[in-house]
Amino acid sequence: GDSVTQMEGPVTLSEEAFLTINCTYTATGYPSLFWYVQYPGEGLQLLLKATKADDKGSNKGFEATYRKETTSFHLEKGSVQVSDSAVYFCALSKKKGSTLGRLYFGRGTQLTVWP
Amino acid sequence: GAGVSQSPSNKVTEKGKDVELRCDPISGHTALYWYRQSLGQGLEFLIYFQGNSAPDKSGLPSDRFSAERTGGSVSTLTIQRTQQEDSAVYLCASSYGSSPLFGPGTRLTVT
Repeated sequence: GDSVTQMEGPVTLSEEAFLTINCTYTATGYPSLFWYVQYPGEGLQLLLKATKADDKGSNKGFEATYRKETTSFHLEKGSVQVSDSAVYFCALSKKKGSTLGRLYFGRGTQLTVWP
Repeated sequence: GAGVSQSPSNKVTEKGKDVELRCDPISGHTALYWYRQSLGQGLEFLIYFQGNSAPDKSGLPSDRFSAERTGGSVSTLTIQRTQQEDSAVYLCASSYGSSPLFGPGTRLTVT
C-alpha cells in the first residue's frame, strides 16, 4: 500500500546551518507530495507541495523537489533559523475525483535549531 | 471564518463517558479528513469523507468510534465509552482540489 518514510529525528542544528530532512514514498500512480510543519503548541500547517514529477515546491526558504526516479521528496533549507524549530511531516495523497484522497504521513522529524 | 474550525478546543472527560468532537470545514470543501495525534506519536488516519461518496472508515480503531458529516459540511466525530488510550489531539482537515488544510485540533483528555 501507499506509505511515506521519513528520516528519524531528532535533528539538532546551529543557526544558519544547512538542513536536509529525507523523505521517500511508496505509491502507485502519481501522488501529490506535501510537507507539513507543526510549531510548538500549534496545529499542522502546509509548508509546501508538489503535484507532479520534477516539480519543486518552495516556501519560507524551504524547498523540496518531487523525484519520481528515486521516489523522494527531501526537504531542504540553506540557512535555518531558531524560529524553524518544529516537527516536520512528509505526506502523500492521490486524486479521488475532483479532490485529494486521504493523506499518508511519515512519522515526523523534530528539528531544533540553537542560536 | 476562513479556516477549518474545531470545537471544543479542549475536552476533559471521565473514562466511560461519550464525547462528540465537531469540525467545521472551509466552505465549499468537499473532502473532510479526521486524524489523531497521540503524545509523542505520529498522525493516525481515522476517516475520510468525499462529497456524497461512502466514507473511508478504514482508520477507525474500534466500533466505539463513529463519524458523520451532515449536508456535506459539518462533521462530528463521536467516541463512545471513552478509554484512557483515546487521549489525543483530534485533527480535522478539509480540501477541494488542492492541499488539505488542518484545523487547530481538539485536545481530548480521558481521566
